[in-house]
Amino acid sequence: EPEVTQTPSHQVTQMGQEVILRCVPISNHLYFYWYRQILGQKVEFLVSFYNNEISEKSEIFDDQFSVERPDGSNFTLKIRSTKLEDSAMYFCASSEGLYTDTQYFGPGTRLTVL
Amino acid sequence: DQQVKQNSPSLSVQEGRISILNCDYTNSMFDYFLWYKKYPAEGPTFLISISSIKDKNEDGRFTVFLNKSAKHLSLHIVPSQPGDSAVYFCAASAKTSYDKVIFGPGTSLSVIP
Repeated sequence: EPEVTQTPSHQVTQMGQEVILRCVPISNHLYFYWYRQILGQKVEFLVSFYNNEISEKSEIFDDQFSVERPDGSNFTLKIRSTKLEDSAMYFCASSEGLYTDTQYFGPGTRLTVL
Repeated sequence: DQQVKQNSPSLSVQEGRISILNCDYTNSMFDYFLWYKKYPAEGPTFLISISSIKDKNEDGRFTVFLNKSAKHLSLHIVPSQPGDSAVYFCAASAKTSYDKVIFGPGTSLSVIP
């Protein structure tokens, strides 16, 4: 069964450094998403991406964040200058379409900012 | 701003009995609701959904009930199995932005053999 994959599974970085989290969505899916879950808290929507542009973003997704689909398979989340509070699990998801189309989640990348 | 609430952080149920997980929402624009299950070290997995034009949706052992007037939904698992032990997230989206799914804080279900 096709699945969403994410690399790395765990990323440790120093405060102020840039990180890039990578995702490979399911191949025929057109919509891509990033979510995060701070330890012990709920899963929070960050951004959705369709047709090579951001379609929706939350208030969390400020100028420090950016997303890109650099080629036909990868979908990346970049955090320009990491802060301690960026430490969280970051989940990528993809779906064929909107509304009733299920979002399939990857296993997540645990980001630890020291 | 808790638009989706799950007031029970945890629930324990005996194997074979019914598990009932509850969810309340505040945003009247929500018209599509989902339940996700999450095991440790894995991403959320879609379980079942319901559109606001229905009040019940069933899939095997899982049934979701929606009470729009009360802004309340519940997930019933019958019979509960030990493999159902996981964190269950209620989630919702609005017709104005279906790609933005808002999650509740989750309920940790333990099914005791």
